[in-house]
Amino acid sequence: QITLKESGPTLVKPTQTLTLTCTFSGFSLTTSGMGVGWIRQPPGKALEWLALIYWDDYKYYGPSLKSRLTITKGTSKNQVVLTMTNMDPVDTATYYCARAWPRDFDYWGQGTLVTVSS
Amino acid sequence: QSVLTQPPSASGTPGQRVTISCSGTTSNVGRNSVHWYQQVSGAAPKFLIHTNDQRPSGVPDRFSGSKSGTSASLAISGLQSEDEADYYCATWDDNLNAMMFGGGTKLTVL
Repeated sequence: QITLKESGPTLVKPTQTLTLTCTFSGFSLTTSGMGVGWIRQPPGKALEWLALIYWDDYKYYGPSLKSRLTITKGTSKNQVVLTMTNMDPVDTATYYCARAWPRDFDYWGQGTLVTVSS
Repeated sequence: QSVLTQPPSASGTPGQRVTISCSGTTSNVGRNSVHWYQQVSGAAPKFLIHTNDQRPSGVPDRFSGSKSGTSASLAISGLQSEDEADYYCATWDDNLNAMMFGGGTKLTVL
């Protein structure tokens, strides 16, 4: 059974750095072609792809947020970490992680709502 | 403004067939596979169609996808009330070297 779960702060202050962790099970990020991506959704708005990391450590970032994002494999082999710097209230959104195989997001986490407010 | 253009809304009555379009360019839809996701209100997106027209296991055959040139479509036949959701297309953009989602289409079952 494949599962993914996002974890991290629910509230961050403007200018702070957000760190989110995706903990997954049922697949391995060492499998050729496998990836994990992050997607966010502001309240009432559309999905926005943020970042993607593959089994070979190749990384891709959304063009509009590239300068603020870093995606890495976690210290645990079943985790992927996303950091986003200089948070702003417009970054308030539900953040999802999903398995990429290789570019289909076939399994998604439940999402975690992050609010940016002072 | 999304690189992939979808109509903001669509509607139909139970039993009807509805289609949702996704328009892109030669750098995205024209060159890469299109995927579709269904998002029921308050839930995470669900994988609905991959590689233009392939249904993952468990997705009813009422859902079908197609692609021609720089446009893709999702068709839902025999519309049911449970199909009321937001639908998103997605594909890779070779120029941006990034994954793109469409702006989403809200389907209402009347």
